[in-house]
Amino acid sequence: DVKVTQSSRYLVKRTGEKVFLECVQDMDHENMFWYRQDPGLGLRLIYFSYDVKMKEKGDIPEGYSVSREKKERFSLILESASTNQTSMYLCASTQGSKKNIQYFGAGTRLSVL
Amino acid sequence: TQLLEQSPQFLSIQEGENLTVYCNSSSVFSSLQWYRQEPGEGPVLLVTVVTGGEVKKLKRLTFQFGDARKDSSLHITAAQPGDTGLYLCAAVNSGGYQKVTFGTGTKLQVIP
Repeated sequence: DVKVTQSSRYLVKRTGEKVFLECVQDMDHENMFWYRQDPGLGLRLIYFSYDVKMKEKGDIPEGYSVSREKKERFSLILESASTNQTSMYLCASTQGSKKNIQYFGAGTRLSVL
Repeated sequence: TQLLEQSPQFLSIQEGENLTVYCNSSSVFSSLQWYRQEPGEGPVLLVTVVTGGEVKKLKRLTFQFGDARKDSSLHITAAQPGDTGLYLCAAVNSGGYQKVTFGTGTKLQVIP
């Protein structure tokens, strides 16, 4: 089975802190994605990566950056956390031959105080 | 950005009842997916529909893709408590990286 692992289930941070959310997938997937999930808004794409060291902005990249130094790992960085970044963050990856099927991690619920 | 509206946003029904969830957009999709997300977990793919008018069945779940490929519906027959969760439609965009745009979600609660 494909496994996508997010390093933390819950995080509490203070305004202004730098926050790292880590995601690892174990199936050699090419594409990886970061979404945030808010009630009534569904999932919104923050950034995605189609290869090591490559990244593309999604629909809501402001206030975020990403890093993909290794194929299996995709990190989301909040340079200076703000209260409006309190949300559920979901990482996903897609298989090279079946790019449409997104495999998700269990999510990280981030609270910024 | 493609906008996908789902209705209803919330649904609370008794076990055994039928229900339909709708997913609508003004844009044409290359294909459309339905995911289910259970509490504390990430979404899991249920089905992908590709052809306008296509109907797919997954046990008690029936998925339909609109003829014009702008809308879709999910019908559940005789709902069970195990169907409880957040249902998300997702439009697959044509293009090199095949980004997926998710709908606003329908939260379903089935009461025993």
